[in-house]
Amino acid sequence: EAQVTQNPRYLITVTGKKLTVTCSQNMNHEYMSWYRQDPGLGLRQIYYSMNVEVTDKGDVPEGYKVSRKEKRNFPLILESPSPNQTSLYFCASSPYYEQYFGPGTRLTVT
Amino acid sequence: AQKITQTQPGMFVQEKEAVTLDCTYDTSDQSYGLFWYKQPSSGEMIFLIYQGSYDEQNATEGRYSLNFQKARKSANLVISASQLGDSAMYFCAMRNTGGFKTIFGAGTRLFVKA
Repeated sequence: EAQVTQNPRYLITVTGKKLTVTCSQNMNHEYMSWYRQDPGLGLRQIYYSMNVEVTDKGDVPEGYKVSRKEKRNFPLILESPSPNQTSLYFCASSPYYEQYFGPGTRLTVT
Repeated sequence: AQKITQTQPGMFVQEKEAVTLDCTYDTSDQSYGLFWYKQPSSGEMIFLIYQGSYDEQNATEGRYSLNFQKARKSANLVISASQLGDSAMYFCAMRNTGGFKTIFGAGTRLFVKA
């Protein structure tokens, strides 16, 4: 089944404890992206990648890191999470136009 | 700066009627794409429809059509014959076709009444 998977789906952590949210797609898509969704703000792009080893900042990259070492994987790294990073995170992949989203990761930072 | 504006936080529509969800955008790019996504209460994001800035005809996908008015910078979503399953959050989005930077509007929550 063609899909984008994210893990974990839910995470509660404490301020400053490094974490990684994994994202994997099995559709051989070139493009991948991370978003955060907050009430009243829609989705805001954190980082995107147009190919292996090619990444660029979206609108809200501060406090996040990404890497694209393989085509199928695009992990999101929070080196030192803070409470303002509490949010719903979506990974997406795209062949070019439409994006296919993962199920989301709900992160709470206390 | 690029911007997407969805002015309707919430809307109600009677089942089987048509509804229009508004989206206006601002960009200095000549080449861009406009998208609509649906987010049901279960939380997943579902692609609905795409319109390229150079497409001369309005995009249609089943019961969804995109009313694209380039001079007015609007890309409204029209849902015909609304169904109860159309109750969801709807997001308008824009992407410049030279890259992959994408911005979303704040969304419109649609309620379909039986």
